[in-house]
Amino acid sequence: EVQLVQSGGEVKKPGESLNISCEGSGYRFSSYWIAWVRQRPGKGREWMGIIYPADSDTRYSPSFQGHVTISVDKSISTAYLQWSRLEASDTAMYYCARLWNTAIRAFDFWGQGTMVTVSS
Amino acid sequence: SYEVTQSLSVSVALGQTATITCGGNNIVSVDVHWYQQKPGQAPVLVIYRDNNRPSGIPERFSGSNSGNTATLTISRAQAGDEADYFCQVWDSTTYVFGTGTQVTVL
Repeated sequence: EVQLVQSGGEVKKPGESLNISCEGSGYRFSSYWIAWVRQRPGKGREWMGIIYPADSDTRYSPSFQGHVTISVDKSISTAYLQWSRLEASDTAMYYCARLWNTAIRAFDFWGQGTMVTVSS
Repeated sequence: SYEVTQSLSVSVALGQTATITCGGNNIVSVDVHWYQQKPGQAPVLVIYRDNNRPSGIPERFSGSNSGNTATLTISRAQAGDEADYFCQVWDSTTYVFGTGTQVTVL
């Protein structure tokens, strides 16, 4: 059974750093792109970026380039979303999702989400 | 970048048909995928490439895409279909999501 299990919710202060994770299981982790998606409270979903675990090829949405870092440790089948300096506007639910393939470009499995709250 | 629009909410009587739309400029030229998300749960892919159902998705879910509008149709709506439904496309550089439509089954 394919599963993406995300790390737990976080409460942080502005300016702090943060690293959240997404562990894949039940499939060949290296062979599927993993994306990160943000959903702010009461808002729609926004694609942040995507990484290919086999070679760490990473693409960012222009809206998020330079503000977050996406990385992966394929040895433990885990992808990461990192911030060096959080802002209050980063308060949101964050999802990881597996890209089915580059022909279909749909996300066939999703993590349960990680709620990040940034408040002073 | 490409934009898609969805209505905020749709209500449907139990056993009737719900229609959810995703609008975009010449959206027929891209593949549209649909997801269902219930409160506190991960999204689930219910339709891919306009009108294809992944394994395990009931036949009551169907999709179409024409002109500037893609449509997700839920036939014989059940109480368990109450959820947020959102569309997604790939515009050749970015993945774009619709804002989501809340479906209420009356």
